[in-house]
Amino acid sequence: QQQVKQSPQSLIVQKGGIPIINCAYENTAFDYFPWYQQFPGKGPALLIAIRPDVSEKKEGRFTISFNKSAKQFSLHIMDSQPGDSATYFCAAVLGSSNTGKLIFGQGTTLQVKP
Amino acid sequence: DTGVSQDPRHKITKRGQNVTFRCDPISEHNRLYWYRQTLGQGPEFLTYFQNEAQLEKSRLLSDRFSAERPKGSFSTLEIQRTEQGDSAMYLCASSLARTGGDEQYFGPGTRLTVT
Repeated sequence: QQQVKQSPQSLIVQKGGIPIINCAYENTAFDYFPWYQQFPGKGPALLIAIRPDVSEKKEGRFTISFNKSAKQFSLHIMDSQPGDSATYFCAAVLGSSNTGKLIFGQGTTLQVKP
Repeated sequence: DTGVSQDPRHKITKRGQNVTFRCDPISEHNRLYWYRQTLGQGPEFLTYFQNEAQLEKSRLLSDRFSAERPKGSFSTLEIQRTEQGDSAMYLCASSLARTGGDEQYFGPGTRLTVT
């Protein structure tokens, strides 16, 4: 119940395409959902985050869509560039927890072809 | 560079040896986390400090693992009697506690290889 399921495992798009990465959860007590980007040999970097009272959030070329009733959220990358090639992780935080610990999805490896 | 630093970046050790990793968080951050990441997987929570108090430990953190955060500043993670299954990337993150979810900033990680 504390899992976050992420798909697809890998994704290849052409430059300028809009890759979409999906995550689903079961526990309705999750109340904070960040996305992280990770390059090989580096730590994850926070990209964008959303709370369940909002259905969409945009920051630059990154958009989160959130469907509370379906318990799903997704990351869209507009006008994707080769430099966006990385592994993307969704995550969730239990609202009832005072720790703020992140529960991560399994990751999606994105390749953007020139 | 997020401002979170970890040392060393890489560590190769023989099975049975002890290793210690250090994390220096962003200076004003009162929360510090340790995560472990194996190849092809998302990071998994290990333990969490608020200031100097260790408030939660995962069941992943066996008795061979110990973490400290003296004076609420840097933190150390020690693994005693290392096993090959301990080979992973050990990530540290820090945040400023706030209601409704923290923005956690990760360091570059320490890659441990146990031979």
